Amino acid sequence: NAGVTQTPKFQVLKTGQSMTLQCAQDMNHEYMSWYRQDPGMGLRLIHYSVGAGITDQGEVPNGYNVSRSTTEDFPLRLLSAAPSQTSVYFCASSWNSGDTQYFGPGTRLTVL
Amino acid sequence: KNEVEQSPQNLTAQEGEFITINCSYSVGISALHWLQQHPGGGIVSLFMLSSGKKKHGRLIATINIQEKHSSLHITASHPRDSAVYICAAAPSGTYKYIFGTGTRLKVLA
Repeated sequence: NAGVTQTPKFQVLKTGQSMTLQCAQDMNHEYMSWYRQDPGMGLRLIHYSVGAGITDQGEVPNGYNVSRSTTEDFPLRLLSAAPSQTSVYFCASSWNSGDTQYFGPGTRLTVL
Repeated sequence: KNEVEQSPQNLTAQEGEFITINCSYSVGISALHWLQQHPGGGIVSLFMLSSGKKKHGRLIATINIQEKHSSLHITASHPRDSAVYICAAAPSGTYKYIFGTGTRLKVLA
């Protein structure tokens, strides 16, 4: 049981490049979410999903896209990277809203 | 004003001290979570509370729904407790968790 996995662990991009951050969970959780963590700020919700085929925006969705074609996977796409997207990104999953969340190890992204 | 406020922001304690971290929130919630973020960056869930009190080892979490306040206590603190402790509110009727900015705890041997 791997829990929540994220790849890559580290990534450096140039402004304007695109990339996908991968997230997968093997606990059959319905709820998955993406957060970014910046110094001096709490975790902020980017996008979330309450089940396969269902996604919605969080607090800071601009510049990011998501899809949920399977229960297990919830990739986050950066369409055209900007220096303001330099951050640590965490994926999390839980059975339902309000339940204990299980976090991935994080992806540290730097945009030059 | 943030909807979830934690205090203190930073805390240094001597090994063995009793530690309290506070969390106040301004929204109606279905649950309140306490998380621990290790120096290496990983985040683990410590407690999920909707009422009362929970205990796990040396950690105790309490919540007062009427006062919209929760506390995390660490008894007999140890250097391995050094981490950032994060409070997160799960607002009623939404799927959007709201996080505090965290309390950075350092326990000295």
